[in-house]
Formats: sequence, C-alpha cells, structure tokens
Amino acid sequence: DAKTTQPNSMESNEEEPVHLPCNHSTISGTDYIHWYRQLPSQGPEYVIHGLTSNVNNRMASLAIAEDRKSSTLILHRATLRDAAVYYCILRDSSNTGKLIFGQGTTLQVKP
Amino acid sequence: ETGVTQSPTHLIKTRGQQVTLRCSSQSGHNTVSWYQQALGQGPQFIFQYYREEENGRGNFPPRFSGLQFPNYSSELNVNALELDDSALYLCASSPGAGIRGTGELFFGEGSRLTVL
Repeated sequence: DAKTTQPNSMESNEEEPVHLPCNHSTISGTDYIHWYRQLPSQGPEYVIHGLTSNVNNRMASLAIAEDRKSSTLILHRATLRDAAVYYCILRDSSNTGKLIFGQGTTLQVKP
Repeated sequence: ETGVTQSPTHLIKTRGQQVTLRCSSQSGHNTVSWYQQALGQGPQFIFQYYREEENGRGNFPPRFSGLQFPNYSSELNVNALELDDSALYLCASSPGAGIRGTGELFFGEGSRLTVL
C-alpha cells in the first residue's frame, strides 16, 4: 500500500486560509487521493478526493501537483469547528472499503 | 436518511471475554467495513463485508470475525479479548463494491471498548 506523509500538527487563526500538505511520492497511476477529517469524539468524515485535476467542493479545495507526488488540502476560511485530525489517504481502485490511515495532521484553530 | 449508527457506545470487558459490536449502515449502502482505532493513532482496517460475505481483510487475527445481515447491518465479534484490544471500533458504510476508488465512506461514531 502506498504511503502518505503529513506534518504531525499545524496551527491556524480563525477565518484565515489553511494549507495542509501531503506527500505521496510512491503513488501509482490508479490511486485516488482522499482526505478525511476526524473531529474530537467522532468518526472520520469525508472531505474531498481527486485523481489528477484540482477539485473544489463546499468544504474545501484539493490541489494536486502535476507529478501527483504531493497534494494540498485548502480550507479557505478556517473556523473553530475545523479543528480536527486531517488524514490524507491513497485509495486504490481494487477495494472500496479499505482506507489506509496514517497519523494525520492535527489542526488547531485559534480564535 | 439516517446515518451509520453503532452500539453500544461504550463498554468494559475483562481479558478473555468475548464482545459483539453492532452497526446499522446508512440507507441503501450494501458495503460495510470495520476499523480499530487505538488511542492517538489513525484507524486500522479490520475487514469489509459486501452482500453478506467478507471480501477484504486487514492484518487482524481470526478471533476478529464479523457478519453482515440481509438488511446490510453488521456485527463485529472479538473472542478471547486481550488488553491491546482496547480501542475505538468504527464502522463505515458505502454504496457498493462496484464503486472503485472514488466513493466516500460514511463512518459511525464508534464503540469504545475497554479491556481490563
């Protein structure tokens, strides 16, 4: 299984943009890049995913490097409710239910 | 549309006992997967069930077993509990095994198991 590398923790101020980086240098051509987040005392929650092109949804944007060896999750205006552990996950096309979670990035948002 | 629900939310067992955890998947979802999350760690995949059959398993011993029922609800059974089995057990459902690589998983809030 391909691995991802993320910083252990990041801090942000409320209402400022946050860029959460992820390195995945061993990504294969069929791996999708998924992001999930886990708020305190809750199960993980899907944020966004992409394959090659940048993606936007109501929660966040995903910027994928041209060589696909890294990606960045962008929260455009962080709120206190965005404080969570963010997981960058490579998901292959062979099995839908298996996600390989790393340690993730713990995001702190300061008021 | 109801989300993924798990029961019980908390339970305490002693070493050597057996435990059954339950999960009701989101409406219309026929695939259920189970994860174990130790304190301070990311979730680890235990196994997946699709249409009542196990079709993927992580690195967990056979004393971790499961069932999926015709209504797509699921159980996780752990026999001969060990202290290291203390963790949050998460259930996730998804619309189907036919969606490859792109579908999102919907997680419940988990069952926290403490083994003494």
